[in-house]
Amino acid sequence: GQNIDQPTEMTATEGAIVQINCTYQTSGFNGLFWYQQHAGEAPTFLSYNVLDGLEEKGRFSSFLSRSKGYSYLLLKELQMKDSASYLCAVLDDKIIFGKGTRLHILP
Amino acid sequence: GAVVSQHPSRVICKSGTSVKIECRSLDFQATTMFWYRQFPKKSLMLMATSNEGSKATYEQGVEKDKFLINHASLTLSTLTVTSAHPEDSSFYICSANGETAASSYNEQFFGPGTRLTVL
Repeated sequence: GQNIDQPTEMTATEGAIVQINCTYQTSGFNGLFWYQQHAGEAPTFLSYNVLDGLEEKGRFSSFLSRSKGYSYLLLKELQMKDSASYLCAVLDDKIIFGKGTRLHILP
Repeated sequence: GAVVSQHPSRVICKSGTSVKIECRSLDFQATTMFWYRQFPKKSLMLMATSNEGSKATYEQGVEKDKFLINHASLTLSTLTVTSAHPEDSSFYICSANGETAASSYNEQFFGPGTRLTVL
């Protein structure tokens, strides 16, 4: 079956670093996406990984290990506007979303 | 970058009426579009895959006669919620697959979503 797991909620402090983990078991794999979604809005694209390793993009980095079925999204220098849900999604023959991680940022 | 639009952004209708939601890819051709439904504080639930020129593929548990999908052109897909009921109230989001000059893969672009409220 298809399964994507990520923590339901996380809390971090403004200026700190937070890592959101995602594990997946899917029948196929053509890449892994991370999306950010603010309440009431559609998701926005953050990153895409198809090869093992770390992809860095400004304050956000995403890591993938295909052999372990594991990815994480790393957010540095947290800002209040980073309070949102973060969705891990795997591209098989279609895109499959995890349930999302609600990240709360404390001042 | 590539943009996907949805219309309307919000709609309120009476129970028993039908509502049509449009999803357009504005600067690229999308042979495949996806329709999602999202309940408050929940993840996206894929409803169906819409293929240009052919019938949509519905996910298990989604009533195809209730949620009519038409993909008439490479830039337009429509979702019609027929005989809407209060339990159909939700946030409906479409996405379209496409390639742009900036990406080397078939990226998925999301529309802004349509909030449907059925009274």
